[in-house]
Amino acid sequence: EAAVTQSPRNKVAVTGGKVTLSCNQTNNHNNMYWYRQDTGHGLRLIHYSYGAGSTEKGDIPDGYKASRPSQENFSLILELATPSQTSVYFCASGDGTASYTFGSGTRLLVI
Amino acid sequence: QQKVQQSPESLIVPEGGMASLNCTSSDRNVDYFWWYRQHSGKSPKMLMSIFSNGEKEEGRFTVHLNKASLHTSLHIRDSQPSDSALYLCAARGSALGRLHFGAGTQLIVIP
Repeated sequence: EAAVTQSPRNKVAVTGGKVTLSCNQTNNHNNMYWYRQDTGHGLRLIHYSYGAGSTEKGDIPDGYKASRPSQENFSLILELATPSQTSVYFCASGDGTASYTFGSGTRLLVI
Repeated sequence: QQKVQQSPESLIVPEGGMASLNCTSSDRNVDYFWWYRQHSGKSPKMLMSIFSNGEKEEGRFTVHLNKASLHTSLHIRDSQPSDSALYLCAARGSALGRLHFGAGTQLIVIP
């Protein structure tokens, strides 16, 4: 069954540390997205990709990097984590014409 | 300012009642709307989509779209406690495949 899998499910990081969130999809979708979700803000787009090797900035890219080494994998990297990056992060895939398929989310706490 | 505005922020309806949720986009390039439902602690799941003027019905759920005003609404009849969730509206705008989400409407159905 086609799916989007995120890892880890939960993460505690220290301020200033490096955090990598991983996402794998078996939908064979070209497009992949990273969102964060905070109360009162809905889903905000951080980075997205149209295919392997491409990354684009979303609406709130500051403090985040992204990497798309293959069709299946899309990572979100926090080089220097800050407490303001404590949030729930969702990865999604889409073919550009239909709805997204979301992963189960990663709950990140930066202390 | 968010490109997708949802109202109300929260809504309480009795079991068996009608719930009406609203969504408007400020992006004139929007051509497609989706409604997602997100239960607490879970990922968003696509509920319905609409791109033509008029109405679309699926079971207890009805979606309306007015393309001239870029306004869509979701109506849930015979609401059930299991319908209690965060309802997110998403709009596809000028960037191919990129969705903008509203902040959501928190629906609570009281038994």
